[in-house]
Amino acid sequence: GQQVMQIPQYQHVQEGEDFTTYCNSSTTLSNIQWYKQRPGGHPVFLIQLVKSGEVKKQKRLTFQFGEAKKNSSLHITATQTTDVGTYFCAGRSSVSGSARQLTFGSGTQLTVLP
Amino acid sequence: EAGVVQSPRYKIIEKKQPVAFWCNPISGHNTLYWYRQNLGQGPELLIRYENEEAVDDSQLPKDRFSAERLKGVDSTLKIQPAELGDSAVYLCASGHRGSYEQYFGPGTRLTVT
Repeated sequence: GQQVMQIPQYQHVQEGEDFTTYCNSSTTLSNIQWYKQRPGGHPVFLIQLVKSGEVKKQKRLTFQFGEAKKNSSLHITATQTTDVGTYFCAGRSSVSGSARQLTFGSGTQLTVLP
Repeated sequence: EAGVVQSPRYKIIEKKQPVAFWCNPISGHNTLYWYRQNLGQGPELLIRYENEEAVDDSQLPKDRFSAERLKGVDSTLKIQPAELGDSAVYLCASGHRGSYEQYFGPGTRLTVT
């Protein structure tokens, strides 16, 4: 079945430093989503990428979808303590028949040191 | 707009006991999902409903898990009997049919002793 892998598993950064998490799928994706889960909270939808090579920005967050639609990245510029949490990517397979099932990666837990 | 409501928030049971979780999705959302999230992992889909129809239950361990969404609104997920490995957070999410956004509830943290 489809597998979605994320690295790194953990990342500690000093406030103001940049942060990047990477997501790789074993199969080609029709789209990929990113979620943020604060400690003790639930996943909150951030964004969806659909097109090959797509880049989207939300303030200090930059999301990228690979040309082959098998990988993605999330980059945070100048981290703040409010960025603390676990960031998950979730890929939707391009194979027909499983069109709506999202497969989540295992997440990258970000700690921001003040 | 009220969010997805789940209850209970926490549940501790002994193994072999039954347990049930309840979810009330956001009003108007046709699609409802149940996920299981183990510690340090991403959510794993258990079942997806479109209105009252279970359209994807391929990941649901049907020997002990069951779910229902009788009137296409609220949903219940049941485990009977629970095993130690069922300890996890059970998340409910909802969305509009055809929309890619999923809105998650706060989850039920289950501990099986």
